[in-house]
Amino acid sequence: QKEVEQNSGPLSVPEGAIASLNCTYSDRGSQSFFWYRQYSGKSPELIMSIYSNGDKEDGRFTAQLNKASQYVSLLIRDSQPSDSATYLCASDADDMRFGAGTRLTVKP
Amino acid sequence: DAEITQSPRHKITETGRQVTLACHQTWNHNNMFWYRQDLGHGLRLIHYSYGVQDTNKGEVSDGYSVSRSNTEDLPLTLESAASSQTSVYFCASSEKPRGTGELFFGEGSRLTVL
Repeated sequence: QKEVEQNSGPLSVPEGAIASLNCTYSDRGSQSFFWYRQYSGKSPELIMSIYSNGDKEDGRFTAQLNKASQYVSLLIRDSQPSDSATYLCASDADDMRFGAGTRLTVKP
Repeated sequence: DAEITQSPRHKITETGRQVTLACHQTWNHNNMFWYRQDLGHGLRLIHYSYGVQDTNKGEVSDGYSVSRSNTEDLPLTLESAASSQTSVYFCASSEKPRGTGELFFGEGSRLTVL
């Protein structure tokens, strides 16, 4: 069974803090990893993708991948109330599997 | 602008009835996916297709079927709806093969089975 696990949360951080979201995967054949953001009542939208070990930065977002540990994380710097959403981790092998999501609340 | 649309957006049906959820994309993507989303389970893959006449079962395919007769459409059919199939259903498409690229999601279809 190809599993993607996320820390269940919910996660609450104050405005301006760093939010750290974590994800592990079981299929060593997975090559690509994605973070999607989903606002309440809306559909998911891609915010980050990462394919190689190490860090990838895009604005306030940093994705980290460690294939040896089968671990992916997303850091959100200077968190804003508009970042409050559910964050879904996904990996591909033969298909695209998602974790259960972590609900993030950023308090003003 | 290219888009992916689902219909109906909301549906209430009774146990045992057949239900079809439509998904239409104008991206001209070969890859299309159906997911269901339930509280605490995230998105679970039901069926997917990598091209016309190609369909594959996902992790929760029992009770569902799909067919792919053209590039634009992947309808999802519940042959005999069950209360356990009450959920929000998302259709998605992608350009790159085998899940290596971004998924574009429809707005979702909320199905209630009474």
